[in-house]
Amino acid sequence: AQSVTQPDIHITVSEGASLELRCNYSYGATPYLFWYVQSPGQGLQLLLKYFSGDTLVQGIKGFEAEFKRSQSSFNLRKPSVHWSDAAEYFCAVGTVTGNQFYFGTGTSLTVIP
Amino acid sequence: DAGVTQSPTHLIKTRGQQVTLRCSPKSGHDTVSWYQQALGQGPQFIFQYYEEEERQRGNFPDRFSGHQFPNYSSELNVNALLLGDSALYLCASSGRLLLTYNEQFFGPGTRLTVL
Repeated sequence: AQSVTQPDIHITVSEGASLELRCNYSYGATPYLFWYVQSPGQGLQLLLKYFSGDTLVQGIKGFEAEFKRSQSSFNLRKPSVHWSDAAEYFCAVGTVTGNQFYFGTGTSLTVIP
Repeated sequence: DAGVTQSPTHLIKTRGQQVTLRCSPKSGHDTVSWYQQALGQGPQFIFQYYEEEERQRGNFPDRFSGHQFPNYSSELNVNALLLGDSALYLCASSGRLLLTYNEQFFGPGTRLTVL
């Protein structure tokens, strides 16, 4: 069965520090992988996506993610966090047919000055 | 481009009532998916509509039903509301005709509170 695991419920980092949010997936075929960000009371904004090709993908707001098939992981990274990055981050896997998305439970990011 | 729009923004209902939520997809998109996001959880897939038909359904009871109109907009109906139906309901659109069926764009959601 398809599933997404985000092991870290909450992460706190200092502004300017680097960030890595973990995501592990379970999917029987080549996964389509996504990272979304959600600010309080808002919908989901797509940060980046992986369909195929280069396993290191660049997204908006300075985020990047690396697909590692051997580890079934798609971790999100940012070299220097800004206070405005504080939000909830969701990893998702999509089916090839685009019929269904599976989301993780999210990681809440707090940024301290 | 207005993006995905949803109405209403907030809604308060009592147990046993019925509710209808509405969604207009992003311009050029023809596929609409609905998600339920309980507090502190990730979105859970309810169902997806394409060509006015339900194409895929998640693990939700029949109390949850939907509809898609010829202009691609969609409604989510929930009957016999339970306290546990309180959540943020998200609509997402994608474009099969554009071959972007794997890129879902989300609306801001409707916050449903059941008392």
